[in-house]
Amino acid sequence: EVQLLESGGGLVRPGGSLGLSCAASGFTFSSYAMSWVRQAPGKGLEWVSSISASGYNTYYADSVKGRLTISRDISKNTVNLQMNSLRAEDTAVYYCARVGYGDLSDFDYWGQGTPVIVSS
Amino acid sequence: DIQMTQSPSSLSASVGDRVTITCRASQGISEFLAWIQQKPGKAPKSLIYAASSLQSGVPARFSASGSGTDFTLTISSLQPEDFATYYCQQYNTYPLTFGGGTKVEIK
Repeated sequence: EVQLLESGGGLVRPGGSLGLSCAASGFTFSSYAMSWVRQAPGKGLEWVSSISASGYNTYYADSVKGRLTISRDISKNTVNLQMNSLRAEDTAVYYCARVGYGDLSDFDYWGQGTPVIVSS
Repeated sequence: DIQMTQSPSSLSASVGDRVTITCRASQGISEFLAWIQQKPGKAPKSLIYAASSLQSGVPARFSASGSGTDFTLTISSLQPEDFATYYCQQYNTYPLTFGGGTKVEIK
């Protein structure tokens, strides 16, 4: 059974940093690209970032480019999101999602999400 | 960026009703479209990929069609567990983009 379990969310001050992690299990982690998608309170879904199966290719939404960094650790089966220079508008639930096939595909499995609140 | 526009933004329907949601892309995306269901307070769940293919375990009352710029999601006979918000999402090009969502409520 595919499982994605996010952790690391919490309350952080504007300008601060936070690291999110997503532990993957139930599939061959090194064969799939992974993504982060967020949802601000009461709003829709917003794609944040993706990383290829190999980890060599990364992609970012313009709204987070230069502040958020996606990475993966194949030895631990985790995908991480390092969030720096956080802003109030980064407040959201952050979901980890598996990319179905190749670097560019649908999200076939989703985690339960971890909340990030950026506030002073 | 490719803009995804869903309509309606919300609808009220009864159990047993046939429901159709539309999604329009601002430029052609072939069949690189997914439909996602989200219930209140829950994580999103993938329903459809490649515009018309059901994910494993998705009931057959869900169907979808379209290509290019115009897409539809149909629920043939609405069930109580189908009341949720539905999003379309294109994966033709980065940045990946979602529609604004369609909330399906109980009449």
